[in-house]
Amino acid sequence: GDSVTQMEGPVTLSEEACLTINCTYTATGYPSLFWYVQYPGEGLQLLLKATKADDKGSNKGFEATYRKETTSFHLEKGSVQVSDSAVYFCALSDLWRGGSEKLVFGKGTKLTVNP
Amino acid sequence: DSGVTQTPKHLITATGQRVTLRCSPRSGDLSVYWYQQSLDQGLQFLIQYYNGEERAKGNILERFSAQQFPDLHSELNLSSLELGDSALYFCASRGDTDTQYFGPGTRLTVL
Repeated sequence: GDSVTQMEGPVTLSEEACLTINCTYTATGYPSLFWYVQYPGEGLQLLLKATKADDKGSNKGFEATYRKETTSFHLEKGSVQVSDSAVYFCALSDLWRGGSEKLVFGKGTKLTVNP
Repeated sequence: DSGVTQTPKHLITATGQRVTLRCSPRSGDLSVYWYQQSLDQGLQFLIQYYNGEERAKGNILERFSAQQFPDLHSELNLSSLELGDSALYFCASRGDTDTQYFGPGTRLTVL
C-alpha cells in the first residue's frame, strides 16, 4: 500500500537557521502531496500542498517541490523562527486518480527552534 | 480556525465504558474522515463518510463505529474501552478539492 517516510526527529535549530525535512513516498497511483503542521496542543493545519510533478507548494516561507523522479517532497525554509516550533507531517492522498481518498501520514518530525 | 469543530475537547473515562465523539464539518463539506493519533501508531485513518454513507474503512476496530447524520455532522462511538484506546481523535472534512481540514481533536484518556 501507499506509504510515507519522513526523517526522524527531533530537530533542534537556532533562530534564522535553514530547515530541511526530508519526505519520500511510495504510491501505486499518482498522489497529491501535503505538509501539515501541528502546533503544541492544537490540531493539524495544512501548511502547503502539490498535486502534480514539479509543482511547488509554498506558504509562510516554507516550500516543497513534488519530485516524481525521486518520489520526494522535502520541506524547506530559509530562516526559521521560534514560532515555527511544531510537529510537521508529510502526507499523501490519491483522490484524483481513483485511488484512496484517505490521507497517509509520515510519523512526524518535531522541530524546536531556539532563540 | 479550520471551520471543523469537535466536542468534547477532553474525555476521561474508565475501561469498559462507551463514549461518543462529535464532529461538525465545514459548511458545505460532504466528506468526513476520522483519524486516531497515538504515540506508537502515529496518525491512522479510521473511517470516512460521504453525505451520510460510509465510503471507506481503515484500521477501525470492531468496537468502534461511526455515522454521519442528515445535517452532515458525524459521531464516532467507541465501546468496551481499553487502556490502549487512549489517543487523540481527529475529524477532518473535505469539499470539492483534495484538501482535508482538521478539527482541534478530542483527547481521550482511558483509566
